[in-house]
Amino acid sequence: KNEVEQSPQNLTAQEGEFITINCSYSVGISALHWLQQHPGGGIVSLFMLSSGKKKHGRLIATINIQEKHSSLHITASHPRDSAVYICAVPPYSGGGADGLTFGKGTHLIIQP
Amino acid sequence: DGGITQSPKYLFRKEGQNVTLSCEQNLNHDAMYWYRQDPGQGLRLIYYSQIVNDFQKGDIAEGYSVSREKKESFPLTVTSAQKNPTAFYLCASRYGTFHNYGYTFGSGTRLTVV
Repeated sequence: KNEVEQSPQNLTAQEGEFITINCSYSVGISALHWLQQHPGGGIVSLFMLSSGKKKHGRLIATINIQEKHSSLHITASHPRDSAVYICAVPPYSGGGADGLTFGKGTHLIIQP
Repeated sequence: DGGITQSPKYLFRKEGQNVTLSCEQNLNHDAMYWYRQDPGQGLRLIYYSQIVNDFQKGDIAEGYSVSREKKESFPLTVTSAQKNPTAFYLCASRYGTFHNYGYTFGSGTRLTVV
């Protein structure tokens, strides 16, 4: 079973700061997911990436398959970015299992 | 708009009672999932279903049951055998295959057992 570790667990920053959230996993994967969970609980998928880098607005996600590590960056952070950011990976492809394995999440607060 | 509907958003039950959480999707996705979230922990897989009339246990299936009689619906029953049922429950669905797939998540149901 894949182990997913995120850091930091909590992060408070000032509006405008550059934010980095890290994710590492133990077993090789086909793709990694970054998700956003707002206070009400609903989850939105931000990125699914298997190599390199993806960008959507002020969000950038990178992955290094060899190092089993991914980062989520937020440029020019804003209070509306405050949420829990979660990294998730699929099961090992040869295992026959299904469903994602999730990190514990990074609770981000952006102060005005 | 297509999506996943979970109802209700908040649910209160007395200890010892079974309770069923609803999950409906109009996305035509084949696979559906139930996850549980506890404070300070990552989401954990309870049950999943890849096709109608078939489902598999996840990592924490004890005390739960599911059915998948229709493609659109995947209800979760929290039985009295579940020792710590108070939690946030999230339903999800998946489209696609191994190399080209994506997930959609519901807004969750927060269950409190008193």
